[in-house]
Amino acid sequence: DAMVIQNPRYQVTQFGKPVTLSCSQTLNHNVMYWYQQKSSQAPKLLFHYYDKDFNNEADTPDNFQSRRPNTSFCFLDIRSPGLGDAAMYLCATSKNQGNEQFFGPGTRLTVL
Amino acid sequence: AQSVTQPDIHITVSEGASLELRCNYSYGATPYLFWYVQSPGQGLQLLLKYFSGDTLVQGIKGFEAEFKRSQSSFNLRKPSVHWSDAAEYFCAVAAPNAGNMLTFGGGTRLMVKP
Repeated sequence: DAMVIQNPRYQVTQFGKPVTLSCSQTLNHNVMYWYQQKSSQAPKLLFHYYDKDFNNEADTPDNFQSRRPNTSFCFLDIRSPGLGDAAMYLCATSKNQGNEQFFGPGTRLTVL
Repeated sequence: AQSVTQPDIHITVSEGASLELRCNYSYGATPYLFWYVQSPGQGLQLLLKYFSGDTLVQGIKGFEAEFKRSQSSFNLRKPSVHWSDAAEYFCAVAAPNAGNMLTFGGGTRLMVKP
């Protein structure tokens, strides 16, 4: 089945130690999104790629970066995780903007 | 900018009872409208969507939603709730003239009593 895959499902890192979260998709969608979701809150968009074009949300901290080496893969890099970055990180894809988004299962990040 | 309000943070219903989850949006025109469900520790799954046409839309798992332009609402309904429906429900809008990015409501947590 076509799907959005996130690895790992659970990630533990230390305060200040860089971490990379991975997302891959078999849907061949041209748009990929990264969301941060803290406990009992709605997902908050960090950035998205429309094909190779990177679009950062205005309030996304510089600590968060992203790479999309090809259509199928997208990475979220957190350069120096703080305690406040502990959250669920959701990857999603869509065929063009405005269409329904397909979400991966998420990666739960713990910062010690 | 568009915004979405889900007035009910928590709702508890008995199994077999009917359900209505409220969603109100603020936008100058008709946005694209979505309902997603999220089980604990999982990603979001699309229940249904409205782009245009018939204002009553049918979704998966027996859910439906009705778009009411005059009330800027897109309430989610189910005639008979099952215990497996217990989850977090998010209403979302995408503004066609603002890049179509999703804006989520705060979510409604549904609990189902046996």
